[in-house]
Amino acid sequence: EVQILETGGGLVKPGGSLRLSCATSGFNFNDYFMNWVRQAPGKGLEWVAQIRNKNYNYATYYAESLEGRVTISRDDSKSSVYLQVSSLRAEDTAIYYCTSGSSFAYWGQGTLVTVSS
Amino acid sequence: DIQMTQSPSFLSASVGDRVTINCKASQNINKYLNWYQQKLGEAPKRLIYNTNNLQTGIPSRFSGSGSGTDYTLTISSLQPEDFATYFCLQHNSFRTFGGGTKLELK
Repeated sequence: EVQILETGGGLVKPGGSLRLSCATSGFNFNDYFMNWVRQAPGKGLEWVAQIRNKNYNYATYYAESLEGRVTISRDDSKSSVYLQVSSLRAEDTAIYYCTSGSSFAYWGQGTLVTVSS
Repeated sequence: DIQMTQSPSFLSASVGDRVTINCKASQNINKYLNWYQQKLGEAPKRLIYNTNNLQTGIPSRFSGSGSGTDYTLTISSLQPEDFATYFCLQHNSFRTFGGGTKLELK
């Protein structure tokens, strides 16, 4: 059974930083692209970042709206992916989901990031 | 960037109704279109991938169709558990979601 668990969310002051983690099991993590997607309260879904697998040299891609403030990384030995977000703003308040594969087959339950003073 | 326009934003229907939800891409997405269902407080669940492929475990009352820039999700006979929000996702170039359709009980 595929399991995806995001952690690391919480309350952060504007201008602060956060590192989100996503631990996975139940599939061959090394073979998969991994992604972060976010959803602001009451809003739709927004793709944030993707990291490809070793065969694609771990290439990374970012949504234009966030580029420069986010970094996605992975540790294949831990079947985990990470998202570092900096210079946080109120509009970054959202549930951040980790999803597997090129086309987002499986999702975790998400971790809530709240940016507020 | 590819834009996805999803319609309608809200849909009221009754159990047993046939409903359709549409997504229109700003350019050809070569059938790289998925549909997701999201219930309140839950993560999205993939229903359909690559236009018309049913995810394992999803009931056959869900189906997808389309090509080029226009895509449709059809629920042939609404069940009580189908009232939720539905999103499309294009994965032809980067990734873009539609704005969502909230399906409510009439």
